Formats: sequence, C-alpha cells, structure tokens
Amino acid sequence: LAKTTQPISMDSYEGQEVNITCSHNNIATNDYITWYQQFPSQGPRFIIQGYKTKVTNEVASLFIPADRKSSTLSLPRVSLSDTAVYYCLVGDPPALIFGKGTTLSVSS
Amino acid sequence: NAGVTQTPKFRVLKTGQSMTLLCAQDMNHEYMYWYRQDPGMGLRLIHYSVGEGTTAKGEVPDGYNVSRLKKQNFLLGLESAAPSQTSVYFCASSFGGYQPQHFGDGTRLSIL
Repeated sequence: LAKTTQPISMDSYEGQEVNITCSHNNIATNDYITWYQQFPSQGPRFIIQGYKTKVTNEVASLFIPADRKSSTLSLPRVSLSDTAVYYCLVGDPPALIFGKGTTLSVSS
Repeated sequence: NAGVTQTPKFRVLKTGQSMTLLCAQDMNHEYMYWYRQDPGMGLRLIHYSVGEGTTAKGEVPDGYNVSRLKKQNFLLGLESAAPSQTSVYFCASSFGGYQPQHFGDGTRLSIL
C-alpha cells in the first residue's frame, strides 16, 4: 500500500504561492496521484491529478519528480477562500489511501 | 445535475439499532465508494463497488454491509450500531478506479 505523508498544517498570507508536498514512497507503477480540497461540513472536492512530470489547470499545478515518490501541489496567489484541508490520494480500490491531510490557513 | 446526494444528512441512533444510508449519483459512474471520516484520521474506505450488482471490501469493512442493486444507488447498512461507528460518512463516485471521485456532502451519524 502506498502510504502518504503530508505536513499537518501550513500558514500563508493572501497573494502568496503555497506548495504542499506529499510523500508516497511505495507508489505502484500504475498509480495516479490525486489532490482534493475539503471545506468544513462538505465532502472533498477534486483539484488536480497527475501521473508524472507537471500538470497544470486553472486552479493549481502538480509537480511529480521522476521517481514519483513525492508530489507537490502548488496553489498560486492564495486567497482567504483557499483556507481548507488538502489531501493527496494515491492508489486504486481497495488500496485507496487518503493521507491525514494538510490544514492550510490563509490570513490577510 | 445534483451530482452525489446522500440521505440523511444527520442521524442519531441508539446502540444496537440498525439503519441504512443512501447514496445516489446522476453521472452514470461505474464506481461508487463509502468512506468514514474521523477526527485526525483522514478518510478511510469502508466498501466500494465497481458496477451494478458488485461490492467489495475496503480498509475498514467490519460492522457494515452494502448493496448496489441499481447503478445509480449505493446503500450502506449498519445492522447493529455501535458507539465506535459514530463518524461522518461520505459517499463518492467515479467513472473508473483511477478517475477523480465526486463526493457527497456527508452523513453525520451519532450512536449513543
């Protein structure tokens, strides 16, 4: 099982770039890496997914090194509304392993 | 589109009672999942289904049963509720095992 490890919490200010790293040393060859965002009293929401190198969409970028043992979610110019818990997910059923998440707090 | 809808949103049970949580999706997804989320534990997979009529165990299946008689619905049952099953339950669905999952807003279940 590809266990994931993330920092428990991070603090930032509005307008800054935030990078959250997830470690997944035992990732399998076929595994994708997926990041989710969760607000209080809501279900997780998909942010971005990748397999290798770099993926970018309208809200975030995902950087994956060649050995794929870690990944970094990059949020450009965060705002107060980006305060949430961020999870990285590696694997496929039944080995779907959500990490404990990183609580990002954005201040003005 | 409603996406993934969970019913009920809140419920309080007494130890030993039974209940069923309903999950419905309108995206024609093949895969459906049930997770529980406890403080400091992240999300843990209880059971999942890869298509109508199929179910399989996840990481923490004990004390739960599931059924998927229709493609759009995935039911989670607690036959004899225990206080350890107090949690927030999330349902999700996806096109495939590696595809991004769409989550409902959860059912908050308290067992006294």
